Amino acid sequence: DIQLTQSPSSLSASVGDRVTITCQASQDISHFLNWYQQKQGQAPKLLIYDASNLETGVPSRFSGRGSGTDFTLTISSLQPDDIAAYYCQHFAILPFSFGQGTKLDIK
Amino acid sequence: EVQLVESGGGLVRPGGSLRLSCTASGFTFSLYEMNWVRQAPGKGLEWISYISSTGGAIYYTGSVRGRFTISRDNAKNSLYLQMNSLRVDDTAVYYCARDRGVPTAKGGFDYWGQGIKVSVSS
Repeated sequence: DIQLTQSPSSLSASVGDRVTITCQASQDISHFLNWYQQKQGQAPKLLIYDASNLETGVPSRFSGRGSGTDFTLTISSLQPDDIAAYYCQHFAILPFSFGQGTKLDIK
Repeated sequence: EVQLVESGGGLVRPGGSLRLSCTASGFTFSLYEMNWVRQAPGKGLEWISYISSTGGAIYYTGSVRGRFTISRDNAKNSLYLQMNSLRVDDTAVYYCARDRGVPTAKGGFDYWGQGIKVSVSS
């Protein structure tokens, strides 16, 4: 089974900061990786699909990069509305799996 | 408007059973693969099961294999998760999620239900 390792597990940053979260796969997953945002008490929301494609309606300050085993999610200018947990998820082969998550808050 | 609505959760004793349902609307349910994802209190997301659009292919994560059964009824636009031999560590919010990969060639679970709470306790 493919394991995803996210880092950091938690992050505190200031409004306007550039924030980067990393996700490393235990084997090559090509571009088969998605990113989700989950706000407290809500269902997850798809942000980035196929490693680097911005989902419709998601602010352009979010971006994704990577292929193979190393991936990043970047928020170019952190906003108060971005307080949430962020998860990567692979879909290269079943069983799918999620990273353990990154909790982001504002300093 | 696409909607996924879960039902059937609740409190059950260890060893008991529950059947979750996820009713879909606003899209052609029979074209989409579906998944169940759960989240234990204060923990991250855990993918637990997948079913293909026709129901012909099914997968489970190891911790639920042999105890949980995923199924679907395309005529009723419904997805199910039969959970048997429940354990305390199955306590979680359970989400159904639409996988848009096959009909759109784009990855991602693009729609999720609101989540349904399952509590396993004596």
